[in-house]
Amino acid sequence: GDSVTQMEGPVTLSEEAFLTINCTYTATGYPSLFWYVQYPGEGLQLLLKATKADDKGSNKGFEATYRKETTSFHLEKGSVQVSDSAVYFCALSEVQGAQKLVFGQGTRLTINP
Amino acid sequence: DTAVSQTPKYLVTQMGNDKSIKCEQNLGHDTMYWYKQDSKKFLKIMFSYNNKELIINETVPNRFSPKSPDKAHLNLHINSLELGDSAVYFCASYDQGRNTEAFFGQGTRLTVV
Repeated sequence: GDSVTQMEGPVTLSEEAFLTINCTYTATGYPSLFWYVQYPGEGLQLLLKATKADDKGSNKGFEATYRKETTSFHLEKGSVQVSDSAVYFCALSEVQGAQKLVFGQGTRLTINP
Repeated sequence: DTAVSQTPKYLVTQMGNDKSIKCEQNLGHDTMYWYKQDSKKFLKIMFSYNNKELIINETVPNRFSPKSPDKAHLNLHINSLELGDSAVYFCASYDQGRNTEAFFGQGTRLTVV
């Protein structure tokens, strides 16, 4: 079945550092790919998405590129802020039929001032 | 005006009890979901309803029974609660016809003692 694997956390960085959170996937078809963010005590919010190969999703300074050849969707940000501290989830859904999100295990990010 | 709202936010109950969690969405979406997030933050789909019809039913004990009185509501009833049911339960909605993103509620933290 479909699956998503994220880099192990937790990740701790200093403010203004460069961030990469790795995400790879396994899917039978051509899925859409997502990054969701969960701030402390809140639900999940969509951060960005990409629906086909070579698409780049971007939002709030975060970017991720859909790489079909490496089945990856790594999340990057050039300069993180304390307010970026959260749990980040990579996810996929098959294009056809009901959108069933398959999530990675989540990566907890802490940014120190 | 909350798009996907769940009640209650916290629920503490004894083993063996029966409890319900309610979810409502005001986005006009046609599809609603229940996801379970365990203590390690791993998220997994449980059920999905499209226009009040069950379309996804993952391997979930039959003590869990979803009910969708209309397409704006999806409630989750749990019978004979067990310690292992302790988790955060997230409701989400999505519009299959318009292929929108999935919107999540804030979650219900269930603790079984």
